[in-house]
Amino acid sequence: EAQVTQNPRYLITVTGKKLTVTCSQNMNHEYMSWYRQDPGLGLRQIYYSMNVEVTDKGDVPEGYKVSRKEKRNFPLILESPSPNQTSLYFCASSPWQGMNKQFFGPGTRLTVL
Amino acid sequence: KQEVTQIPAALSVPEGENLVLNCSFTDSAIYNLQWFRQDPGKGLTSLLLIQSSQREQTSGRLNASLDKSSGRSTLYIAASQPGDSATYLCAVRSQGGSEKLVFGKGTKLTVNP
Repeated sequence: EAQVTQNPRYLITVTGKKLTVTCSQNMNHEYMSWYRQDPGLGLRQIYYSMNVEVTDKGDVPEGYKVSRKEKRNFPLILESPSPNQTSLYFCASSPWQGMNKQFFGPGTRLTVL
Repeated sequence: KQEVTQIPAALSVPEGENLVLNCSFTDSAIYNLQWFRQDPGKGLTSLLLIQSSQREQTSGRLNASLDKSSGRSTLYIAASQPGDSATYLCAVRSQGGSEKLVFGKGTKLTVNP
């Protein structure tokens, strides 16, 4: 089944403790992206990747890192999480051409205490 | 900068009613427009994707239209059911740059039995 998977689905952590949220897709998509969703602010792009080893900042990249060493994986790294990173995170992927549909993962709900 | 607006923010209707959700965007340089459904605290379910060259798409009781020149889209839901209760999000995929999806803040729909 074609899908985007994220792990973990739920995470409660404490300020400053490094964490990684994994994202994997099995559709051989070139484009991958991370979004965060916050009440009243909607969904905003954090980082994106056009292909392996090609990543760039979205609208709200502060406090996050990403890497794209393999085509299928696009982990989101929080080196020193803070409470303002408490949010619902979504990973998405698509073929590189912009007219293609983006497929979303199930979401990761992160709480930073 | 692309901005997406959805009106109304919330809508409550009796079961069986036909309804229209509205979405407007400020920059017509888009690849496509996608309508999503989101249940509380859950992920995004893609409902319909309309390419910039298309005028409408249909899936079951759902019909989405796109008028790119005026920057508007509508999602028509026929014969609404309580199971349609959810938040409906409109997103446009912008050309150039990050090719991200720019989301509206959604319309929260409640269908009353």
